[in-house]
Amino acid sequence: GAGVSQSPSNKVTEKGKDVELRCDPISGHTALYWYRQRLGQGLEFLIYFQGNSAPDKSGLPSDRFSAERTGESVSTLTIQRTQQEDSAVYLCASSLSGLAGDPYEQYFGPGTRLTVT
Amino acid sequence: GDSVTQMEGPVTLSEEAFLTINCTYTATGYPSLFWYVQYPGEGLQLLLKATKADDKGSNKGFEATYRKETTSFHLEKGSVQVSDSAVYFCALKEYKLSFGAGTTVTVRA
Repeated sequence: GAGVSQSPSNKVTEKGKDVELRCDPISGHTALYWYRQRLGQGLEFLIYFQGNSAPDKSGLPSDRFSAERTGESVSTLTIQRTQQEDSAVYLCASSLSGLAGDPYEQYFGPGTRLTVT
Repeated sequence: GDSVTQMEGPVTLSEEAFLTINCTYTATGYPSLFWYVQYPGEGLQLLLKATKADDKGSNKGFEATYRKETTSFHLEKGSVQVSDSAVYFCALKEYKLSFGAGTTVTVRA
């Protein structure tokens, strides 16, 4: 079956513009996650959805970042008034269950490479 | 909070050499532990996992054992190949993943 897909694969935007990144998780996966990977660094957690609600938004770096999920499926990550430090690869992952202690792995999408000029 | 400390790279070694990447963790509960790999130009993919103490995860010749007493999950491979060149990430999961910084491994022919 299809894996996690993300669009666009690459996005170049000017500083100050808004961007929307999209994630389509694996069908039936209730948990969805957004991570950010800056060049040469590890992955930072941004936000976690269980169904359509977001019990953990603690990783969002500022109020310019927001995310939503509809229909327990697609999610969009929106960055308003982009800054150069927002340049990174944004990765989406989904999992069968997002409950603490469950053994299910997260499946990652290919990522969206965002460059803010 | 939960965290992972991973051996810093980069690591360069010759084909057929033994590879170890150290990983230790701090967690309040009993997380599952994972190794993810990112090959050049590709996305992040699961290499192996262990869900409880003393479990051994293995895949593609790589192994890691969940050691609760030393809070470690070191990755090992007995004989690496050029195709193993990649960035390796250790991670723990309560519900979200907490990643180590990644270790870049380059295997020379």
